[in-house]
Amino acid sequence: NAGVTQTPKFQVLKTGQSMTLQCAQDMNHNSMYWYRQDPGMGLRLIYYSASEGTTDKGEVPNGYNVSRLNKREFSLRLESAAPSQTSVYFCASSEWSLAGGTSTDTQYFGPGTRLTVL
Amino acid sequence: AQTVTQSQPEMSVQEAETVTLSCTYDTSESDYYLFWYKQPPSRQMILVIRQEAYKQQNATENRFSVNFQKAAKSFSLKISDSQLGDAAMYFCAYLPSGTYKYIFGTGTRLKVLA
Repeated sequence: NAGVTQTPKFQVLKTGQSMTLQCAQDMNHNSMYWYRQDPGMGLRLIYYSASEGTTDKGEVPNGYNVSRLNKREFSLRLESAAPSQTSVYFCASSEWSLAGGTSTDTQYFGPGTRLTVL
Repeated sequence: AQTVTQSQPEMSVQEAETVTLSCTYDTSESDYYLFWYKQPPSRQMILVIRQEAYKQQNATENRFSVNFQKAAKSFSLKISDSQLGDAAMYFCAYLPSGTYKYIFGTGTRLKVLA
């Protein structure tokens, strides 16, 4: 069981270049997320997809677009990369479930992509 | 705005000792969830423990337990019998009920001394 996978693991871009970060999950989860992690700032939500066919903005959506290709895949696109987008990007998936009579949501994270924009 | 604050950028603990990591949050919601995630050097985020706000009983998972004080908006993590493998960044996270917008704190780096 691979869980959440992300490609690539590392990427270096020049300012103005575009690229797409890929994410896939094999847990049949409805919800998927993209975060960025910067030093001293924790994880910040970029976009999320509550279910297949829907996407919504998170805390820091500017400069990014997303596509929920199907239930398994959720991609993040940088159309014109900027140095301020240098960060580590995490994809996650989750599912509300009943456990012990409690409804709760548990996120599972991918290994991250380290992106540097020069 | 809802915020999560982890006021301890770094903590150290001797192996086999107990350490408590603090987390406070600001919200006007009454129904929400709280989480502690661990991020080891591998960068993989791992759920440690979670707490439902409507539950008064503090959650426990083996050596990990929380002290949830709803009125004080405090959610601390206690790690008992600390092990070298506990060394990591620990993030506190908040999720309002009925939403998908997780809010994470800035993290606490835990060092475990042999």
